[in-house]
Amino acid sequence: SQQGEEDPQALSIQEGENATMNCSYKTSINNLQWYRQNSGRGLVHLILIRSNEREKHSGRLRVTLDTSKKSSSLLITASRAADTASYFCATARNSGNTPLVFGKGTRLSVIA
Amino acid sequence: GAVVSQHPSWVICKSGTSVKIECRSLDFQATTMFWYRQFPKQSLMLMATSNEGSKATYEQGVEKDKFLINHASLTLSTLTVTSAHPEDSSFYICSARDKGLAGALAKNIQYFGAGTRLSVL
Repeated sequence: SQQGEEDPQALSIQEGENATMNCSYKTSINNLQWYRQNSGRGLVHLILIRSNEREKHSGRLRVTLDTSKKSSSLLITASRAADTASYFCATARNSGNTPLVFGKGTRLSVIA
Repeated sequence: GAVVSQHPSWVICKSGTSVKIECRSLDFQATTMFWYRQFPKQSLMLMATSNEGSKATYEQGVEKDKFLINHASLTLSTLTVTSAHPEDSSFYICSARDKGLAGALAKNIQYFGAGTRLSVL
């Protein structure tokens, strides 16, 4: 069953603006990951944040995690048209060999 | 590194025929691969976990006789949609974990194939 819920479901911004996507989940987790999917393609892993971490950066990406609220956010700064894609959060209850549970995703459109 | 190849990328078949989809890890070994189904503008629904050398673990509601999974080697898993019907039309995506990576968290990252779009007429 789907655990994560992203909002907004769709987001349209101008190039250069920042894009913020949120994800909520229901059960306890070991880590939370964000993936990106271009239309009709597979997913690409972006960033992983552990349950004992609160914030993580990777290039133009910033991820926060609030385990008390069971929520995470993904911020993409200085967005580019090439950032247009769907973004999914995925949670894992345990480390290692457990399936990921994906949220419903946010469809981001960056207009040049 | 960490490339997963999925083939075919697109298949059209007649109702009643079977379709096999291959998922290969090209530069790493994967004891575990996952098969997902995705409807347009929706999220990924896990169908089954494919374990090398053993039977696949299917999610609730997924017919194991309908979706046959074989994981005969550390680099190949196949999904066969048997007696396909129009309602089986969907986007199927596989993913794999790299067993050689150090650290349980690193092993938790999944590498995805590009997906297979199945259209059943």
